[in-house]
Amino acid sequence: AQSVTQLGSHVSVSEGALVLLRCNYSSSVPPYLFWYVQYPNQGLQLLLKYTSAATLVKGINGFEAEFKKSETSFHLTKPSAHMSDAAEYFCAVTGPNTNAGKSTFGDGTTLTVKP
Amino acid sequence: DTEVTQTPKHLVMGMTNKKSLKCEQHMGHRAMYWYKQKAKKPPELMFVYSYEKLSINESVPSRFSPECPNSSLLNLHLHALQPEDSALYLCASSLRDGQTDTQYFGPGTRLTVL
Repeated sequence: AQSVTQLGSHVSVSEGALVLLRCNYSSSVPPYLFWYVQYPNQGLQLLLKYTSAATLVKGINGFEAEFKKSETSFHLTKPSAHMSDAAEYFCAVTGPNTNAGKSTFGDGTTLTVKP
Repeated sequence: DTEVTQTPKHLVMGMTNKKSLKCEQHMGHRAMYWYKQKAKKPPELMFVYSYEKLSINESVPSRFSPECPNSSLLNLHLHALQPEDSALYLCASSLRDGQTDTQYFGPGTRLTVL
């Protein structure tokens, strides 16, 4: 069985500061990992995904994440926060012999960006 | 067109009502999903349709009844709901039901059960 843990249910940064949202996974098989963003009153949108190709994955809106097997992590970063980045962020995992619908989501991290 | 549309945006219903949620996509995706999301929680999978056939039912109560009339449409029929069923209901689709397929989510229907 796979699982993800998002450390920090709330993260607050100043505009222009580095954004770091943490995700650690647990999986007995090579995982596939996803980061989604959810703005208020909207559905989820995929930011980026790791599918066992390059370990550094670049996504939309200037976000990127690095898959580190030794640390079982897939942290999301953005060099400079923008007010529009304020949202809920979910890390999710699937793996071999599971399908997209069986993604396991983390509990989410609320990102607040201060002016 | 990379859009999943959902109607209605908001729905208020009594416990004895029957209503339906609708989801539509025109991306040629062959997998479609229903999720339930409570405030400040991750989405919970309810149903998965793959090539118009129900492939996953996550032990959802029978008061929720999914239907996939064709490859572009997904409905969720609601009957005799409980107040605890109040939530955001999200529809999603993906090219296929594969482990790495990107899911595209609709904006959701905010359901309130009185």
